[in-house]
Amino acid sequence: QKEVEQDPGPLSVPEGAIVSLNCTYSNSAFQYFMWYRQYSRKGPELLMYTYSSGNKEDGRFTAQVDKSSKYISLFIRDSQPSDSATYLCAGSGGSYIPTFGRGTSLIVHP
Amino acid sequence: DSGVTQTPKHLITATGQRVTLRCSPRSGDLSVYWYQQSLDQGLQFLIQYYNGEERAKGNILERFSAQQFPDLHSELNLSSLELGDSALYFCASSVPGERAFFGQGTRLTVV
Repeated sequence: QKEVEQDPGPLSVPEGAIVSLNCTYSNSAFQYFMWYRQYSRKGPELLMYTYSSGNKEDGRFTAQVDKSSKYISLFIRDSQPSDSATYLCAGSGGSYIPTFGRGTSLIVHP
Repeated sequence: DSGVTQTPKHLITATGQRVTLRCSPRSGDLSVYWYQQSLDQGLQFLIQYYNGEERAKGNILERFSAQQFPDLHSELNLSSLELGDSALYFCASSVPGERAFFGQGTRLTVV
């Protein structure tokens, strides 16, 4: 079992939809949680970085962490075709080394 | 632009050969991480260096090695290459305890 699990998708939504991306993790030592966006095998780009449980909002993006259920979510409001990419979630503990899920492919069609 | 620079962008080499991938971290970042990304395995952590010293090892093969130099740039050396080593290799850097920023990667093709 991988430490971070993600549904690979693809997830296809119409432009303007609210997108919900989810991960589960198994390592109880994780305290930091990240979402990265990766376009067609380019370098992962950091979107959200959160510590412990709770919500964090940045523009159209909201990250949620529920440590009690080991569940991580990313919500994208008013999705745009330019949001089409692979979204990687990651967790890290005291070492600060991100452990990644395999990513979810998102397609936003006009 | 993340500020992390990787060279070369693409590399094609034959089985059995040795290659060196280079990474320049963001200014001020002391930690450098190397990751391998293949289609079937996702992003796999290989190794971390902090201020010139090896800090942590992940799923790095014995044929692979890395180092970080006094100017903080890092090199990943891959030897006795096999077809299965074809992948994207990413470098990331961070200030200790903070978020990691990734370079654009080196695409290695072993033929």
